[in-house]
Amino acid sequence: EAQVTQNPRYLITVTGKKLTVTCSQNMNHEYMSWYRQDPGLGLRQIYYSMNVEVTDKGDVPEGYKVSRKEKRNFPLILESPSPNQTSLYFCASRSLLRDSGSYEQYFGPGTRLTVT
Amino acid sequence: EDQVTQSPEALRLQEGESSSLNCSYTVSGLRGLFWYRQDPGKGPEFLFTLYSAGEEKEKERLKATLTKKESFLHITAPKPEDSATYLCAVSISGGYNKLIFGAGTRLAVHP
Repeated sequence: EAQVTQNPRYLITVTGKKLTVTCSQNMNHEYMSWYRQDPGLGLRQIYYSMNVEVTDKGDVPEGYKVSRKEKRNFPLILESPSPNQTSLYFCASRSLLRDSGSYEQYFGPGTRLTVT
Repeated sequence: EDQVTQSPEALRLQEGESSSLNCSYTVSGLRGLFWYRQDPGKGPEFLFTLYSAGEEKEKERLKATLTKKESFLHITAPKPEDSATYLCAVSISGGYNKLIFGAGTRLAVHP
């Protein structure tokens, strides 16, 4: 089954304690992305990656890091989390092939992060 | 500034009562407009892509249309299982890998 998986699904942590949220896709997609979703603001892109070792900032990258060492994995790293990073996070992926059709992005199930 | 606005924020319908959700956009160059459905506690699920004004797509009780300034998601004779948040997003020229999302419309369909 084609899917994007994220772990953990729920996380409560304290300010300043480094954490990593993992993301993995089994569709051999080149493009992967992280979004955060906040009430009234919609989904906003944090970082994206066009392929292995190629990453770039989205609209709200401050306080986050990513890496893309393998095509299937795209972890999101919060080196020193703060309460304003409390949010719902989604990982997404899609193919960059010209004949892949519709720019359809596949989203993971989400990670709800609370930073106290 | 590129912007996507959805209205209404929330919509309550009786089963069978048709209605439309609106997505208006102000962007520098539209490459595509996307509709997603999001159920509570889940990631967005892709519904449609529209590329040019006048284009229409249909899936079961849903029909998406596109003009030069907005898109509509028409829901015909909705059922309770259509209850969800519907998200609109656009991709723009020069940033085709980024989706700009609206805040969504929460739809509740009551029996």
